[in-house]
Amino acid sequence: QVQLQESGPGLVKPSETLSLTCTVSGGFIGSYYWSWIRQPPGKGLEWIGYIFNSGSTNYSPSLEGRVSMSVDTSKNHFSLRLTSATAADTGVYYCARSNVLTAIDFWGQGTLVTVSS
Amino acid sequence: DIQMTQSPSTLSASVGDRVTITCRASQSISTWLAWYQQKPGKAPKLLIYKASSLQSGVSSRFSGSGSGTEFTLTISSLRPDDFATYYCQRYNTSPWTFGQGTKVELK
Repeated sequence: QVQLQESGPGLVKPSETLSLTCTVSGGFIGSYYWSWIRQPPGKGLEWIGYIFNSGSTNYSPSLEGRVSMSVDTSKNHFSLRLTSATAADTGVYYCARSNVLTAIDFWGQGTLVTVSS
Repeated sequence: DIQMTQSPSTLSASVGDRVTITCRASQSISTWLAWYQQKPGKAPKLLIYKASSLQSGVSSRFSGSGSGTEFTLTISSLRPDDFATYYCQRYNTSPWTFGQGTKVELK
């Protein structure tokens, strides 16, 4: 059974970069799309984007220019960077496994990131 | 971008009720639609993919239907564990937009 675990700072200062890593266990990181989704407090889900194991990416247009993702197949993990963070970026960030048939089938437990000085 | 609209936003129901949630796309997405269940403080859980395919391990009380622009999620007989928020998501093209969610609460 695939398991995903997010890690990274829970507090980020405004204008700084939000960085998270997702470690995949119970399966190889190859041949899937690895996604990031976030959820502001009390609100709905927002798709951030995904990265394929080859390194090709697809990002939400609303975050294009601030977001980047990377994958390290040797460590079986992938990462998210969101620059110029503001309070609007506060929320629970989920990493997840995706594929073009089933959409998002495995999710991490989520990690709360607060953007505040 | 293609927008996804769920209705209703909140649904009050009783245990044993048959419940239907609707998701509409602003343009055709064929059957590239998934449904998720989310409980407070938990990650979402995939219920249905490709509009009507039941994810492995998910109760057969859940079913999905539709194609093009209109989709439904049906819970045949509501159980206490089903009170949660449900989201649809399109994944035909980027961005993989979510609906705003439907909260199923106890009447």
